[in-house]
Amino acid sequence: GAVVSQHPSWVICKSGTSVKIECRSLDFQATTMFWYRQFPKQSLMLMATSNEGSKATYEQGVEKDKFLINHASLTLSTLTVTSAHPEDSSFYICSAPTSDMNTEAFFGQGTRLTVV
Amino acid sequence: TQLLEQSPQFLSIQEGENLTVYCNSSSVFSSLQWYRQEPGEGPVLLVTVVTGGEVKKLKRLTFQFGDARKDSSLHITAAQPGDTGLYLCAGARGSNYKLTFGKGTLLTVNP
Repeated sequence: GAVVSQHPSWVICKSGTSVKIECRSLDFQATTMFWYRQFPKQSLMLMATSNEGSKATYEQGVEKDKFLINHASLTLSTLTVTSAHPEDSSFYICSAPTSDMNTEAFFGQGTRLTVV
Repeated sequence: TQLLEQSPQFLSIQEGENLTVYCNSSSVFSSLQWYRQEPGEGPVLLVTVVTGGEVKKLKRLTFQFGDARKDSSLHITAAQPGDTGLYLCAGARGSNYKLTFGKGTLLTVNP
């Protein structure tokens, strides 16, 4: 089956620093990837749609200057949390649909970000 | 606005019991997916239902898509502790990859 790999699995950073999270499609190309944020015991909140070769589309209320998304290739999207604050601590998950299953999504393992 | 209402939000049952999780909407979806997520991991796709009235079975799990494609249910028979996890339904419209997620059902199956 399709595999989406996310790295790192967890990261601890100091307030004010930036953190980059990578999302890779390992055995398929993804022109679109999605970034979600999840709080404990809650569902996924879509943050933005990452589009290969063009600007990401952000959901309402998500600061695009704070959460920088780059989709430089057909297999890699990155989410950079800039000037991180403790309230940015969360579980971040990416997903990608495969080309031949137009709505099914495969998710990365998630990244636990803790800002201290 | 929560477009997909999922219930119950929390469910704690004993091993061997049956349970049903519901996912309802006033909107029509072209497909609906069910995912299971364990703590600290990403959601894993269980099933996709596409046709109104469709029923799919995955061992002790039975998934149903409503005739009008606005609702879905997940029924687990003889639940086991290994079924514990967060169950998420997600709907898609047309060929739009963007999924709308329900709030999730946190299931705990006690031995």
